[in-house]
Amino acid sequence: DADVTQTPRNRITKTGKRIMLECSQTKGHDRMYWYRQDPGLGLRLIYYSFDVKDINKGEISDGYSVSRQAQAKFSLSLESAIPNQTALYFCATSVAGGLSEQYFGPGTRLTVT
Amino acid sequence: ILNVEQSPQSLHVQEGDSTNFTCSFPSSNFYALHWYRWETAKSPEALFVMTLNGDEKKKGRISATLNTKEGYSYLYIKGSQPEDSATYLCAFLMDSSYKLIFGSGTRLLVRP
Repeated sequence: DADVTQTPRNRITKTGKRIMLECSQTKGHDRMYWYRQDPGLGLRLIYYSFDVKDINKGEISDGYSVSRQAQAKFSLSLESAIPNQTALYFCATSVAGGLSEQYFGPGTRLTVT
Repeated sequence: ILNVEQSPQSLHVQEGDSTNFTCSFPSSNFYALHWYRWETAKSPEALFVMTLNGDEKKKGRISATLNTKEGYSYLYIKGSQPEDSATYLCAFLMDSSYKLIFGSGTRLLVRP
């Protein structure tokens, strides 16, 4: 079984709809991250969480919100989806800070029409 | 704005060729440099986390070097195999932040 899972894996939605992407991990890591990947660009950090009570904005948080329901679960919401949020979204986890590698989920491909 | 550059953007080699690519990052306030391997339709997986100037790391046929003073890291693949085909991502971490800044990757295709 995968250590970091994401649901759904693919989603097509319409402009203005609310959508939630979910991430679960069995690695027991405190730190969780949400990234988006667009063609020709690197992974960009949307939000990160160091523990259940510590949530921080990344470089591109506008239009997104997150919820850390438990150590193992970190959800990303698009309150009102727009076409330029069409992207591949990755969740990741890590043990501690920058000296620890991050473990990525399989990604969610989101298309907003 | 912190910028992490990777070159080349893509690379096609024949099976058996050795190859290398570059990651350039800001040389000030360096904390760590990560390398990840991302196969199509799979999750990125960590190759190396490097912290010290002059550091060299190796995993099988893949190795990496780090020069923090001039702000670059090289990734080498010796005797490329088709299964090495993937996008190789580097990510820079500055000491004042826990946030990784990713480059856009080098996409490697190894032809049999």
